[in-house]
Amino acid sequence: DIQMTQSPSSLSASVGDRVTITCQASQDISNYLNWYQQKPGKAPKLLIYDASNLETGVPSRFSGSGSGTDFTFTISSLQPEDIATYYCQQYDNLPTFGGGTKVEIK
Amino acid sequence: QLQLQESGPGLVKPSETLSLTCTVSGGSISSSSYYWGWIRQPPGKGLEWIGSIYYSGSTYYNPSLKSRVTISVDTSKNQFSLKLSSVTAADTAVYYCARHARDGYLPGGFNWFDPWGQGTLVTVSS
Repeated sequence: DIQMTQSPSSLSASVGDRVTITCQASQDISNYLNWYQQKPGKAPKLLIYDASNLETGVPSRFSGSGSGTDFTFTISSLQPEDIATYYCQQYDNLPTFGGGTKVEIK
Repeated sequence: QLQLQESGPGLVKPSETLSLTCTVSGGSISSSSYYWGWIRQPPGKGLEWIGSIYYSGSTYYNPSLKSRVTISVDTSKNQFSLKLSSVTAADTAVYYCARHARDGYLPGGFNWFDPWGQGTLVTVSS
């Protein structure tokens, strides 16, 4: 299995802050990585696919980058509606998810 | 707009078999571009992929669950189903179904999950 390690596991930031989440793969996965947002009590929603492509309708303050083993997810200006847990998911092999990062407002 | 809806018992006894069905509406389950997957999330924990099925019936399972999992498809009803045998309290989770993008050019053959059903909580308890 390819292990995905996300950090931090949680963070607290102010509205307007830049937020960065990292995801590290246990082996080279090229750009085979997606990011999801899960709001409390809801199903996950695809935000970014192929490491850096924004899903249609997703605000441009969300972005992703990286390749190989190290990936970054960024919210350029945190908004109250961004309160959620974010997950990375690799698809180089059978799919696996990162442990999640819970984002809260300070 | 494609929608998925999970259904099945919310309570299962230990050692018994968990059975869930996902009904797909707004699109055909027989699309050549997609698999159909099951993912679960224990309370307060992260996401775990269980397995995925193609409309032809070919399946891929998480190796950690493979011995207990069966996923099947009924194209006439636009549904796919999950069976998980010999359940324990550790199988208590919200179970989601989702469309799973297929890409034969990728090493694993898969890509993203989207959309997802709303999820259904299954509790394993006597």
